[in-house]
Amino acid sequence: AQSVTQPDIHITVSEGASLELRCNYSYGATPYLFWYVQSPGQGLQLLLKYFSGDTLVQGIKGFEAEFKRSQSSFNLRKPSVHWSDAAEYFCAVGPVTGGGNKLTFGTGTQLKVEL
Amino acid sequence: NAGVTQTPKFQVLKTGQSMTLQCAQDMNHEYMSWYRQDPGMGLRLIHYSVGAGITDQGEVPNGYNVSRSTTEDFPLRLLSAAPSQTSVYFCASKPDGSNSPLHFGNGTRLTVT
Repeated sequence: AQSVTQPDIHITVSEGASLELRCNYSYGATPYLFWYVQSPGQGLQLLLKYFSGDTLVQGIKGFEAEFKRSQSSFNLRKPSVHWSDAAEYFCAVGPVTGGGNKLTFGTGTQLKVEL
Repeated sequence: NAGVTQTPKFQVLKTGQSMTLQCAQDMNHEYMSWYRQDPGMGLRLIHYSVGAGITDQGEVPNGYNVSRSTTEDFPLRLLSAAPSQTSVYFCASKPDGSNSPLHFGNGTRLTVT
């Protein structure tokens, strides 16, 4: 069965500092990986996705993520955090094709940004 | 573009009551789904549909019914609400059965007392 682990429930960083949110997945085939962001009272918005090609993918709002097959990881990074980045971040994994299109989400990482 | 619209935004039910959470999308997406979000558990798939007239169960389907009579609408029915169904419910859609990204509504916060 596919699964996603986000080991950090809460992270606090200072504005301007760099950020790395961890995501580890378990999947038996080539995974399709996503990062979503959720602002308070809102739905989830896609930050970036990966299923093939360059293992470093760029997303919106200055975020990037690196796929490392050997470590089963897909960590999200940002060089300089802005106060508006405070939100909850979700990693998700699903099949590239078929599989009922069932995305499995991690439990989320709540990001707090100190001014 | 309205995208994915969910109504109501908030709802309080008593145990045993029934209700329908509405979801509509105006993007002509074939695939629609319902998730529930609970603290510390992320999002879990309840039901999904790959097109009008076709529905299937997700990870946590018990206590919920769905139907898909049109491409645009995918209502979620709670037949007899239970306190364990207190949650935030999200509807999400995508163009087709491939793994293109999901588009999410803004959620319905449901409390069952």
